[in-house]
Amino acid sequence: EVVLTQSPATLSLSPGERATLSCRASQNVRGYLAWYQQKPGQSPRLLIYDASNRATGIPARFSGSGSGTDFTLTISSLEPEDFAVYYCQQRNNWPPWTFGQGTKVEMK
Amino acid sequence: QVHLVESGGGLVKPGGSLRLSCAASGFTFSDYYMSWLRQGPGTGLEWVSYISASSATIYYADSVKGRFTISRDNANNSLHLQLTSLRAEDTAVYFCARVRRYSSGYFDYWGQGTQVTVSS
Repeated sequence: EVVLTQSPATLSLSPGERATLSCRASQNVRGYLAWYQQKPGQSPRLLIYDASNRATGIPARFSGSGSGTDFTLTISSLEPEDFAVYYCQQRNNWPPWTFGQGTKVEMK
Repeated sequence: QVHLVESGGGLVKPGGSLRLSCAASGFTFSDYYMSWLRQGPGTGLEWVSYISASSATIYYADSVKGRFTISRDNANNSLHLQLTSLRAEDTAVYFCARVRRYSSGYFDYWGQGTQVTVSS
């Protein structure tokens, strides 16, 4: 089973700042990694798939990069609605499909 | 637009059973693979089960294998999850999700979730 480790656990930033979130895989997942956003009381929303492709309707301030075992989600300039928990997920070695434990982006 | 609505959650005693349902609309249900995922209290996301469009291929997480059964009814655009031999650790919000086409495992639309609580 692929274990995904996200860092940091919490990121405290202000609107307008740049957010950089990390996801490290325990084994090579090639480029088969996604990022999701989840706000309190809501279901997750797919942001990025295949490491760097934005899902339908996702703003350009969200970008993903990486391959192999190290991946990054970048939010170029935080909007108030971006404060949420972000999860990475791999689909290279399945089943099971596995998720990271999440990074909370909170307002400073 | 794509819409997924779960139902069937509730409070059940350890060892009990529940049947969750997910009503799908806004897309051709029979063309898509589907999954159930869950999120325990204050915890992250866990994939639970996966079913192909024709029901020919089914997978389960080890934590639920032998206790949960996934099924679908393409005629009625619905997905189901039968939960049996429930344990306290199955307490979670259960989501149904559509598998992104041609992706083999990204989840592009999720329902709002249904709460399952296992407690005596």
